[in-house]
Amino acid sequence: QSALTQPASVSGSPGQSITISCTGTSSDIGRFHLVSWHQQHPGKAPKLLIYEVSKRPSGISNRFSGSKSDNTASLTISGLQAEDEADYYCCSYADSGTLIFGGGTKLTV
Amino acid sequence: EVQLVESGGGLVQPGKSLRLSCAASGFNFDDYAIHWVRQAPGKGLDWVSGISWKGGDIGYADSVKGRFTISRDDAKYSVHLQMNSLRGEDTALYYCAKARGYSYRLDSAIHHWGQGTLVIVSS
Repeated sequence: QSALTQPASVSGSPGQSITISCTGTSSDIGRFHLVSWHQQHPGKAPKLLIYEVSKRPSGISNRFSGSKSDNTASLTISGLQAEDEADYYCCSYADSGTLIFGGGTKLTV
Repeated sequence: EVQLVESGGGLVQPGKSLRLSCAASGFNFDDYAIHWVRQAPGKGLDWVSGISWKGGDIGYADSVKGRFTISRDDAKYSVHLQMNSLRGEDTALYYCAKARGYSYRLDSAIHHWGQGTLVIVSS
């Protein structure tokens, strides 16, 4: 049950686009279409941004998009805004019958 | 509005037990799987356990298997996490989270999070 691999930090300027990668294995990301992304501001509970690789729940801006290729999932945030500064976590179901989170990526805007 | 309210956290000595509860409202509780996810101070998210609708399918992280037990009471719209043989590394904020659908596996995506309850394991 090793954690999914995310970059520790990424940064971008307002208006730019950034992409956060999330690398797993053929037992999790590569096998299932069950990747989700969560945003967490300091001192707050996480919030769902993307589920099932690329679906957005209602109320989530279309500036957030997700994709997957082989064992790697990606979250792209376009038109960066100051309020996007937060920690981002990917998550995938794994064939061990567990959920696995990435280590988290700190986004600085 | 979906609400998940955790309770039962606190300071406990190593080797002792604690029971967390999650009270749900704002949705048809019977139809959804529920997860427990924890976050150690300054660290990332760590899945603990999941329970599908009717309690028919349950899963645990290896780190808690044999020590923690998840259960649900659909009549009371609540989920519980019985934590035994607690260790220092169990110190964390424990979140209750609602899944997308009925199965903690196939509908596993966490759609709503509670605010968490803090567990500190220390002598």
